[in-house]
Amino acid sequence: EPEVTQTPSHQVTQMGQEVILRCVPISNHLYFYWYRQILGQKVEFLVSFYNNEISEKSEIFDDQFSVERPDGSNFTLKIRSTKLEDSAMYFCASRKEGGFTDTQYFGPGTRLTVL
Amino acid sequence: TQLLEQSPQFLSIQEGENLTVYCNSSSVFSSLQWYRQEPGEGPVLLVTVVTGGEVKKLKRLTFQFGDARKDSSLHITAAQPGDTGLYLCALSVGSYGKLTFGQGTILTVHP
Repeated sequence: EPEVTQTPSHQVTQMGQEVILRCVPISNHLYFYWYRQILGQKVEFLVSFYNNEISEKSEIFDDQFSVERPDGSNFTLKIRSTKLEDSAMYFCASRKEGGFTDTQYFGPGTRLTVL
Repeated sequence: TQLLEQSPQFLSIQEGENLTVYCNSSSVFSSLQWYRQEPGEGPVLLVTVVTGGEVKKLKRLTFQFGDARKDSSLHITAAQPGDTGLYLCALSVGSYGKLTFGQGTILTVHP
C-alpha cells in the first residue's frame, strides 16, 4: 500500500541553524500539508500546498518557514533560523482529492530537537 | 476558529472493559473525522462522520455523530491492549481541507 515517507526521523540542530525536513507524498496525490505537534500538545496545521503554491497557512507559518516541491516527488519544509520553540514532531500529509471527506494520509513524522 | 474539546484527556482501563471518548464543539460542523495515533507514527484516519445522528461501526469501535452536529463519540467495546494509543477528533476546514484537531485522548489498555 502506498504511504507517505519522511526523512530524517530525528533531526537535532542548534538554535539559529537552518533545517530542511523532507517528505515524499503518495504519488498521485494533489494536496500536501505540514503539521506539527509540540510534546504534550495538539496537532497543529502549518501549511497546505496545491498546484505548486501555498494554498493556506497558519499564524505559526511565519517568514522563517517555507515549503517547496522541487520535483515531482519531494515536498520539503524549511525552517531558516530555528528557535527552541520549534522543537516538535513535524508531520507531512497528502490527499488525492479536494473533498472534505477525502482521507489525508500522514507520514511517520520527523522529530526536530533544537538545542 | 472552531475549537474541538475532547474528553477525557487520559483513560486507563483493563482489557475487556468498554469505554467512550467524546468530542464536542460550540459550533455546528459539517463533518468530523476520528484518527488514531500510535507512538512514533502519524495519525491514521479511522472514520469520517457526515450526517447528524449517523452511527458507524468499525469492528469493536462505534462512532456516533450527534443529531445537532456539535458533538461526536467513539465507543470501544471489550478493549484490548492493541487499542492503546492517542485518539483524535478533527475537522476538515476550508477549500483545501486543513485539519483542526482536538487535544486527543490517551488510552491505555492494560492486559
